[in-house]
Amino acid sequence: DIQMTQSPSSLSAFLGDRVTITCRASQDITYRLAWFQQKPGRAPRPLIYAASGLQSGVPSKFSGSGSGTDFTLTISSLQPEDLATYYCQQYYAYPLTFGGGTKVEIK
Amino acid sequence: EVQLVESGGGLVQPGGSLKLSCAVSGFTFSDHGIHWVRQASGKGLEWLGRIRSKSKSYATNYAASVQGRFTFSRDDSKNTAYLQMDSLKTEDTAVYYCRRDGYGDNPDYWGQGTLVTVSS
Repeated sequence: DIQMTQSPSSLSAFLGDRVTITCRASQDITYRLAWFQQKPGRAPRPLIYAASGLQSGVPSKFSGSGSGTDFTLTISSLQPEDLATYYCQQYYAYPLTFGGGTKVEIK
Repeated sequence: EVQLVESGGGLVQPGGSLKLSCAVSGFTFSDHGIHWVRQASGKGLEWLGRIRSKSKSYATNYAASVQGRFTFSRDDSKNTAYLQMDSLKTEDTAVYYCRRDGYGDNPDYWGQGTLVTVSS
């Protein structure tokens, strides 16, 4: 199985800060990576597909990059509504696997 | 508007069975695969498996943790996918989500989830 390692597991940042979350795959997954945002008690919300594609309706402050084994999700200017846990998922090979999540808090 | 709505969750005893439904609208259900994902309270997301479309012979993939106990099916005439869960264990307690396999395998739409509690 492909292991997905997210870092950090949690972070705290100021409003307006640029925030970056990383996701590393245990093997080459090309571009087949998605990012999700999940708020407490809510379903995951798709943000990014194919490593850098913005899902419909997602604000442009979210961006994704990377290919192969190393990927990043960036929030350009952190806002209160961005308080959530963020997950990456590879869909290159079965079984599909998720990262452990990154909890984003506001300082 | 694309919608996926899970139902059928509830309380079941260990060793029991439960069948979840995922009713969809807003897109041509028969063209898309459906995945199932669960999340135990306070834990991360766990992929359970998927059932592909008719054009892909309704092929299925299962996570090792549920292989042999869970079964995916679908009824394209009812725009509904199903997750049959047998031999349930306490560790199967979680919120269960279905999500669409979008174009290019894009995981683009999710349901709101249904809670399954396995307890005596």
